[in-house]
Parts: sequence; structure tokens; C-alpha cells
Amino acid sequence: GAGVSQSPRYKVAKRGQDVALRCDPISGHVSLFWYQQALGQGPEFLTYFQNEAQLDKSGLPSDRFFAERPEGSVSTLKIQRTQKEDSAVYLCASSLGRGQTNNSPLHFGNGTRLTVT
Amino acid sequence: AQSVTQLGSHVSVSEGALVLLRCNYSSSVPPYLFWYVQYPNQGLQLLLKYTSAATLVKGINGFEAEFKKSETSFHLTKPSAHMSDAAEYFCAVNPPYSSASKIIFGSGTRLSIRP
Repeated sequence: GAGVSQSPRYKVAKRGQDVALRCDPISGHVSLFWYQQALGQGPEFLTYFQNEAQLDKSGLPSDRFFAERPEGSVSTLKIQRTQKEDSAVYLCASSLGRGQTNNSPLHFGNGTRLTVT
Repeated sequence: AQSVTQLGSHVSVSEGALVLLRCNYSSSVPPYLFWYVQYPNQGLQLLLKYTSAATLVKGINGFEAEFKKSETSFHLTKPSAHMSDAAEYFCAVNPPYSSASKIIFGSGTRLSIRP
């Protein structure tokens, strides 16, 4: 079966532009996570959905970042008025179980590399 | 707060040599621990996980890790390195039985294999 799919694979935006990053999780996966990975760093948690409910958005760095998963499947991470410091790889992951306090591993997509010029 | 520390941002070994990637965690109770591997331009892939069962955990591609509570460590090893093992490796932690929904990743260790 298909894994987690993210699009676009690469995105270049001029400072101040809005961007939307898409994540198609594995079908049937309840949990969906967004992570931000800066160059040479580990992934940093941004937000978590359980089905359509956004249960944790404590990692979103500012109110310019917004995520949604309206039907409990596809998710979109939107960044408004992009800044250079937003340049990073944005990783989406899904999991069959709820949260991470279970035995279900995270399945990651290949990420979207965002470059803000 | 939960955290992991990976000692050494870059490790280089010869093909066929032992691989040892270090990870120490900070937690008041034994957490769930994970090792993920990331190949260039790809997402992360689970290598293995510790969830309070056996302390020696075997993963894919010949890797294994041992949970040592006394040392708060979860080091990753492989007896004989292969060229295809060259990648970035991340240790991660998640506390059990809590409302925390996220796992915390270390900063990663890049493994290079010398022919």
C-alpha cells in the first residue's frame, strides 16, 4: 500500500508569501503529526491531530502557522507571510494508534523542503 | 521534561567494523524509546523501539539497542557496518501513560562508512 505522501516535494517562496503544504496519510491512520526539521537538526514537533481534532498545537512557532485536517484524512499546513527562518523541511507522519503512547510506530513522508528567499 | 542527547553529531567507521551510536535520555520514569534512520532526501524510518518489555531490542537491518536504566542510555549498535548503513540516525523518547502526544527527537548522528 501507499505510504505517507507529501506535496509539493520542494517549494520556493518569496518572503511574505503564503504557502500550503499537503499531507496524505496512510489510509485509516488515526493520528497525524507535523514536524519541522531545520538543516542538521532533528525533527521538531509542530502539531498533532487525532482524526479531525487538533489535540496539540503547542509546537507551532507563531500564529502565522496554521494546520487543519477537516475530514480526518488529508492535512494541510499553511504558513502565512513566510519569513526566512521558516526555511526547513516539513515532515508529516501518521500512526494507526492514538498519540504515541502506544505501540504504533510513526510512518513519515519524504517531507516538503521549503526555501524562503 | 523528556529529552534525549545524542553524543557525537558525526560518526565514521570502516565497512565491517562495529557501529555504536550513543543516546542518553532524561526522564523520571522509563519512557518509550525509539531509533529512527533517515536516508538523504527521505523521511524517517523506524529502526526499533523499546516499550518496557525486553531491554535488548532487535530492529531492522541488523541493528539492536539495549535499554540500561542505571545509565539512562539506549545506545544503538550493529556488529558489522555495511556501506548502505550510511545515513542520519535519530534517537527519540516518549513518556508512557501520559497525555503527551508527541515524541521528542535528538539532534541526530550522521553515520559515514569508509570502504
